[in-house]
Amino acid sequence: GENVEQHPSTLSVQEGDSAVIKCTYSDSASNYFPWYKQELGKGPQLIIDIRSNVGEKKDQRIAVTLNKTAKHFSLHITETQPEDSAVYFCAAPDSSYKLIFGSGTRLLVRP
Amino acid sequence: NAGVTQTPKFQVLKTGQSMTLQCAQDMNHEYMSWYRQDPGMGLRLIHYSVGAGITDQGEVPNGYNVSRSTTEDFPLRLLSAAPSQTSVYFCASSYSKGSGNTIYFGEGSWLTVV
Repeated sequence: GENVEQHPSTLSVQEGDSAVIKCTYSDSASNYFPWYKQELGKGPQLIIDIRSNVGEKKDQRIAVTLNKTAKHFSLHITETQPEDSAVYFCAAPDSSYKLIFGSGTRLLVRP
Repeated sequence: NAGVTQTPKFQVLKTGQSMTLQCAQDMNHEYMSWYRQDPGMGLRLIHYSVGAGITDQGEVPNGYNVSRSTTEDFPLRLLSAAPSQTSVYFCASSYSKGSGNTIYFGEGSWLTVV
């Protein structure tokens, strides 16, 4: 089945710096890769996703890149702000289209 | 439009007790699911349903039961609570199970089993 690994588990950056979170997946048939943000005490919320027919997608300060050959995808946050502090999850679908989540990255943006 | 609503928000159970976590969605989504979140483990799928009357097991189904009598509701039952079931539980829904459908999560239910 699908296995999603996410790194790092924690990330601390200075406000204004960039943050990068990386995920690898095992099922080469996977074709959809979402990223979720979980704020303290809340449920995860979709922030960006990418499909296998594109290599990069941007939405203001966040971007996701996909390397299908290497089976990894990354979340990039530029000009980080304190409100970006949260737990971020990547995910990929298994062969029956159920999303398998990574273990999460706790991002702390220091003012 | 409330989205996905879970109750209760917090619950303390004694080992061996049973309880039901309630979940309701008002988006007319066919697909509903329950996840548990543990430190360093991410979100693990417990059970899911692709429509009323249809349920199936996820990664970690043992100790939990579900039913789906209506499109809106998807309760999760703990049959005989164990300390290993101490976790944060999230109910989620999406338009369908297919790849590419946004999953909407509830606010979570914090469960402690003592």
